[in-house]
Amino acid sequence: EVQLVESGGGLAQPGGSLRLSCAVSGFTFSNYWMHWVRQAPGRGLEWVSRITSDGSSIIYADSVKGRFTISRDNAKNTLYLQMNSLRAEDTSVYYCARDPLQFGTAFDYWGQGVLVTVSS
Amino acid sequence: DIQLTQSPSSLSASVGDRVTITCRASQSVSRYLNWYQQKPGRAPQLLIYGAFNLQSGVPSRFSGTESGTDFTLTISSLQPEDSATYYCQQSHTTPWTFGQGTKVEIK
Repeated sequence: EVQLVESGGGLAQPGGSLRLSCAVSGFTFSNYWMHWVRQAPGRGLEWVSRITSDGSSIIYADSVKGRFTISRDNAKNTLYLQMNSLRAEDTSVYYCARDPLQFGTAFDYWGQGVLVTVSS
Repeated sequence: DIQLTQSPSSLSASVGDRVTITCRASQSVSRYLNWYQQKPGRAPQLLIYGAFNLQSGVPSRFSGTESGTDFTLTISSLQPEDSATYYCQQSHTTPWTFGQGTKVEIK
């Protein structure tokens, strides 16, 4: 069974940092691109970042570029999102998601989500 | 960035009704358009990829069509468990973007 489990969320002060983790199981992690997608409370979905299967190519949404860093450890089957210089508008549920690469980019398995709240 | 505009923003329909949701792209996305269902407090679930391909395990009452920059998600016979918010997402051009969502309620 495919599982993605996020952790590391919580309350951070503006300007602070948090690191999210996404531990996966049930599939060969090193074969898949992975993404972070977020959703502000009561709002829609926003794609945040993507990393290719070997970590060689990374892209970010403009809203987080220069502040967030996506990475992965294929030996540990874990995806990460280092979030620095946090702002109130980063308050969201953050989901990790798998990209099946079956026709363009889609998100076929998602974690349960982890809440990040940025507030003083 | 490519903008996706969904209509309607919300709808209420009865069990057994045929329901159609539209997603209009601000520019061509070819067939790189996906649909998701999200229930309250849950992660989204992929329903349709590549405009009309049904994701494995998704009931056949869900279908997708494409006409230029207009895409539709149809539920052929609405079921109580289909009460959710539906999002389209384009994968043609980065940054990948989502529509604002359509909330479907059961009368």
